[in-house]
Amino acid sequence: EVQLVESGGGLVQPGGSLRLSCVASGFAFSGSWMTWVRQAPGKGLEWVANINDDGSETYYVDSVKGRFTISRDDGKNSLYLQMNSLRGEDTAVYYCARGHIFCLGASCYQRYFDLWGRGTLVTVSS
Amino acid sequence: QSALTQPPSVSAAPGQKVTISCSGSSSNIGNNYVSWYQQFPGTAPKLLIYDNTKRPSGIPERFSGSKSGTSAALGITGLQTGDEADYYCATWDSRLSAGVFGGGTKLTVL
Repeated sequence: EVQLVESGGGLVQPGGSLRLSCVASGFAFSGSWMTWVRQAPGKGLEWVANINDDGSETYYVDSVKGRFTISRDDGKNSLYLQMNSLRGEDTAVYYCARGHIFCLGASCYQRYFDLWGRGTLVTVSS
Repeated sequence: QSALTQPPSVSAAPGQKVTISCSGSSSNIGNNYVSWYQQFPGTAPKLLIYDNTKRPSGIPERFSGSKSGTSAALGITGLQTGDEADYYCATWDSRLSAGVFGGGTKLTVL
């Protein structure tokens, strides 16, 4: 079955750290761009980070730059999000998603996300 | 404040048509592909439209996408009560080097 399964969410104190995982199955993970998207309670979707197919390029929303790190382990078909210095505004359901891109020369850009996990809830609170 | 602007809500009667707009700029919609997602409460988003106008396999023809300049739109015809959901547009912003979503639009089928 083609799917993404997130894990690692939970309750953490402000300033703390958490590592999210996303395990892929049923498709060629190693050739896929991957993304983390989050959704705060009662709010809309927010793109968080992308990683390209070989892990050499990463992109982040400004609000998490320097605090979050996206990475992948193709041998384990896994995507990760290391979250440090967590803040209350990071409270959200975090989804991993498979991305499709288009390239112009050496630059590649996001097109769409066609496969999503069910999400994992991160709560930052004292 | 989202880089893409959507109306917070739209409504229409069953069987009618509705259009959800998504307004951006030359750094995002104007020069990149737009996609649309449907989300029911408590569930993950689902891809509805990609590459501005294309429908993935399994998405009914009632759903359509369009793009003109720095704006895009999602059209839904023959509205059904089961279409009540939140709808989001998304694209890449070349100036930000980041993905962006619209704020989302809640569709009510009266």
